[in-house]
Amino acid sequence: EDQVTQSPEALRLQEGESSSLNCSYTVSGLRGLFWYRQDPGKGPEFLFTLYSAGEEKEKERLKATLTKKESFLHITAPKPEDSATYLCAVQAISDYKLSFGAGTTVTVRA
Amino acid sequence: GAGVSQSPSNKVTEKGKDVELRCDPISGHTALYWYRQSLGQGLEFLIYFQGNSAPDKSGLPSDRFSAERTGGSVSTLTIQRTQQEDSAVYLCASSLDTGGGSPLHFGNGTRLTVT
Repeated sequence: EDQVTQSPEALRLQEGESSSLNCSYTVSGLRGLFWYRQDPGKGPEFLFTLYSAGEEKEKERLKATLTKKESFLHITAPKPEDSATYLCAVQAISDYKLSFGAGTTVTVRA
Repeated sequence: GAGVSQSPSNKVTEKGKDVELRCDPISGHTALYWYRQSLGQGLEFLIYFQGNSAPDKSGLPSDRFSAERTGGSVSTLTIQRTQQEDSAVYLCASSLDTGGGSPLHFGNGTRLTVT
């Protein structure tokens, strides 16, 4: 069974204080690893898909990286508007659904 | 529409009543998913559709839950004889396909409260 573990559960940052979120996964053949952002009262918003170890994707202050066992979401010089819950999910080659981790809630203080 | 649309956005019902939740996916998306998100919990997969077919319903929590999709578009999730443990946010998502690594695009969910 696919497993996704995210850490830490919560992260409080000062504006401009860079940090990283971790997503450890176990899957029988990875088709893709997905990062989403979720704001309160909203559905998850797609950020990135990573397909193979060594791949990196960037969007504004966010950068996602992938190894064979984990993915990191790096937040560089965060702003208060980066406050959200960040979700990681995996899709196995033999599967159709995404299996999600419990998320990391990031709070950025001005 | 531009995104996935779900209705109602909020639903309060009494224990034992039946409820229907509606999802209108992004036009042209053949795959449709239902997930459930309980307070402080991760997203729990319920069911997915490829076209009008649901190849795997094993994520549905009990036989009180059912779902259908018509015309390869709109989907309805029905919960019969609701229980308090059914209280959660029900999220619908659509995707261009099921196995090609295409991302899921989510609606804003229906918040169900069973009193």
